[in-house]
Amino acid sequence: AQSVTQPDIHITVSEGASLELRCNYSYGATPYLFWYVQSPGQGLQLLLKYFSGDTLVQGIKGFEAEFKRSQSSFNLRKPSVHWSDAAEYFCAVGALTNTDKLIFGTGTRLQVFP
Amino acid sequence: DSGVTQTPKHLITATGQRVTLRCSPRSGDLSVYWYQQSLDQGLQFLIQYYNGEERAKGNILERFSAQQFPDLHSELNLSSLELGDSALYFCASSVIAGTRGEAFFGQGTRLTVV
Repeated sequence: AQSVTQPDIHITVSEGASLELRCNYSYGATPYLFWYVQSPGQGLQLLLKYFSGDTLVQGIKGFEAEFKRSQSSFNLRKPSVHWSDAAEYFCAVGALTNTDKLIFGTGTRLQVFP
Repeated sequence: DSGVTQTPKHLITATGQRVTLRCSPRSGDLSVYWYQQSLDQGLQFLIQYYNGEERAKGNILERFSAQQFPDLHSELNLSSLELGDSALYFCASSVIAGTRGEAFFGQGTRLTVV
């Protein structure tokens, strides 16, 4: 069955530090991968997506993610974190079948210290 | 602002009651999805409609139902409510079906069952 694992429940970084959020997926074929961010009291905003092609994808707000098939990973990175990046981050995979549902990881809560 | 509008933002109701959550998709989007976010289950796909027809079903209880109207807005009906139904319910929309999960999310309706 398809699944997404985000091993880090909670991460704390200092403002200006680099960030990497981990995501591993289980999938039978080339996956469609997404990162969403949820700020407190807000909906989910798409940060970036990977469908095919270049394995390093750029997103909004200075985020990027790298697809590594050999490691079944799609880690999210940012070189310098801002206080406004504090939020919950969800990795998701598009379903294999003829549905369009997203299968989400459990999320990583990012806390940023000044 | 994603362009997806959900009403109401908050809803408090008693066990055994029935509520209706409403979603207006982005202009031009034909596909609507419903997701449930709870502390114990995380983000779970409930159901998808495309141009008025049910396209995919996920972990949706029999007590729950949905529909998409000719003007493309959608409603999620939750009946015989239980305490465990307390959650954040998200609606999302996309232009077409077959987008492999890429969708725009509303800000959610927070349902509290007391």
